[in-house]
Amino acid sequence: DSGVTQTPKHLITATGQRVTLRCSPRSGDLSVYWYQQSLDQGLQFLIQYYNGEERAKGNILERFSAQQFPDLHSELNLSSLELGDSALYFCASSVAGTSGVREQFFGPGTRLTVL
Amino acid sequence: EDQVTQSPEALRLQEGESSSLNCSYTVSGLRGLFWYRQDPGKGPEFLFTLYSAGEEKEKERLKATLTKKESFLHITAPKPEDSATYLCAVQARGGGSNYKLTFGKGTLLTVNP
Repeated sequence: DSGVTQTPKHLITATGQRVTLRCSPRSGDLSVYWYQQSLDQGLQFLIQYYNGEERAKGNILERFSAQQFPDLHSELNLSSLELGDSALYFCASSVAGTSGVREQFFGPGTRLTVL
Repeated sequence: EDQVTQSPEALRLQEGESSSLNCSYTVSGLRGLFWYRQDPGKGPEFLFTLYSAGEEKEKERLKATLTKKESFLHITAPKPEDSATYLCAVQARGGGSNYKLTFGKGTLLTVNP
């Protein structure tokens, strides 16, 4: 158990709908990362938050947005869903600091199925 | 753009048959290279961090090594429970507080009893 929690575990919805995925980082971690994993693309970085502020963006679609709250949990919002958005969505967290390598610890993921 | 290529895509071994997985990378400046293990439908599980060429790390039957262009994950006398997808990822320098990981597509290891 990495200490990172994600809910829900599974989500089935229809095209055009909007969903929210939730993540709680490990105790003490200030950074949260979101990744998408599909069969053909592998793990792709979406977005990073650090202590409530957005720090980096990857290839995140404009239909997707995220935020990190004062209690450090994070939510990933996916709207106008398309069939191609079906994937595993992972949250990861890492310790805070001013320098150095940051190992990331991953949650169990949310499997999104868009029908 | 950072790139990570893993080979082979899939590897099937007999129990006790040692082998190595390869991870080749291209990055503007390496901050760290990471190995993860991922079981089907689960999140990646952290194994090792390597920081600089020449470094080695070991954990049970696994040993990770790093050169300036690639990393190897050596598996000695594997057991069926070592079956999983092994992922390699790099973290680049120069991104300020951007610590994103760039992953390879992984090597699916199957160990038969």
